[in-house]
Amino acid sequence: NAGVMQNPRHLVRRRGQEARLRCSPMKGHSHVYWYRQLPEEGLKFMVYLQKENIIDESGMPKERFSAEFPKEGPSILRIQQVVRGDSAAYFCASSPTVAGAHNEQFFGPGTRLTVL
Amino acid sequence: TQLLEQSPQFLSIQEGENLTVYCNSSSVFSSLQWYRQEPGEGPVLLVTVVTGGEVKKLKRLTFQFGDARKDSSLHITAAQPGDTGLYLCAGARWGDSNYQLIWGAGTKLIIKP
Repeated sequence: NAGVMQNPRHLVRRRGQEARLRCSPMKGHSHVYWYRQLPEEGLKFMVYLQKENIIDESGMPKERFSAEFPKEGPSILRIQQVVRGDSAAYFCASSPTVAGAHNEQFFGPGTRLTVL
Repeated sequence: TQLLEQSPQFLSIQEGENLTVYCNSSSVFSSLQWYRQEPGEGPVLLVTVVTGGEVKKLKRLTFQFGDARKDSSLHITAAQPGDTGLYLCAGARWGDSNYQLIWGAGTKLIIKP
């Protein structure tokens, strides 16, 4: 049973370019969460999606950032016109179809974005 | 404002010593989870505590959920270098329309041989 998969593991972009991060949840999981982590810090929630719906985007910057989880294919976190401050590790997590009180999440290995 | 205060932020101790990490909040959680994250990897779930006063053991790790379900502790006995990592607590609660996980800022633990 494959775990949460993220690609690429490392992504280098120049200022002004677009960054596209992909996440394939665990089999049978239809809830996806994106987090951002700076070195030596905890996780910052960005967005929570179910298939074709954004449920909670309260942690996502209003500009340049967008996320989707289409009916088919992986979830995508897209950062347009990247700036140096976007450099961080971005983690995706998934949870089982029914997100209940336990709301346990399973994490991918992360994508480390470096903006030059 | 940090809704889930985790302490200490950083801890460096010798192999064989004991330690405790705390997560405290003024909010009540339906459950609380502890994760460990190693450098270059994503967090891995260690345990979920659900009932007030619940204690769970995982080898040398003991997790406790406060009676009021507002706080939790992680105690490690006879720490080993393999315990080194970032420990994160996360409390689950019902938000506006869905369950949310509220994350602590993490405790970076270094166990020196």
